[in-house]
Amino acid sequence: GQQVMQIPQYQHVQEGEDFTTYCNSSTTLSNIQWYKQRPGGHPVFLIQLVKSGEVKKQKRLTFQFGEAKKNSSLHITATQTTDVGTYFCAGVIGSQGNLIFGKGTKLSVKP
Amino acid sequence: DGGITQSPKYLFRKEGQNVTLSCEQNLNHDAMYWYRQDPGQGLRLIYYSQIVNDFQKGDIAEGYSVSREKKESFPLTVTSAQKNPTAFYLCASSIGGTGRITYNEQFFGPGTRLTVL
Repeated sequence: GQQVMQIPQYQHVQEGEDFTTYCNSSTTLSNIQWYKQRPGGHPVFLIQLVKSGEVKKQKRLTFQFGEAKKNSSLHITATQTTDVGTYFCAGVIGSQGNLIFGKGTKLSVKP
Repeated sequence: DGGITQSPKYLFRKEGQNVTLSCEQNLNHDAMYWYRQDPGQGLRLIYYSQIVNDFQKGDIAEGYSVSREKKESFPLTVTSAQKNPTAFYLCASSIGGTGRITYNEQFFGPGTRLTVL
């Protein structure tokens, strides 16, 4: 079936270092959403991107949607221990499709 | 206090038994979803419902069944036909409305961790 690929699967960083996770689809996406799941918790919505080339920022988090709407990235500047968790992208293919989740990037931050 | 509740948090069952997981929301959302999450995997869609008394199969519906008799409730039954039922099950809802579900953020419940012995 159609897939949304996400890399890397794991990322270990020292507190203060930057972090980026990437999401790719072979098919054009209608939109893409990002979620964060803390250890032992449930996914929580972070943001949605809809327009080609869109960039949105939330404090230290920067989200981008590619020009071709086939890829997206989440960049965290100067990570903190509170950033620990798994970050999922979820894309929609077509206007009526369901969300297809990537496998997530698990971020650990060493203080 | 609005939100989505799932119960129980942990559930143990013997192989061959059917089990029903509860999901209730008081957000007045039209759309509800069930996902399965396995270690190192993303969320895979089991069933979804855009409106009361209607639901559709997701990517991995085999061995599962649902009902949507009330807007607030979307219970999931894991049947004995499900070959590998041990997993973390997440229920979600969104504002929804036919043709609009894909553009709305999803709100997740705390999940039920099912272990089949």
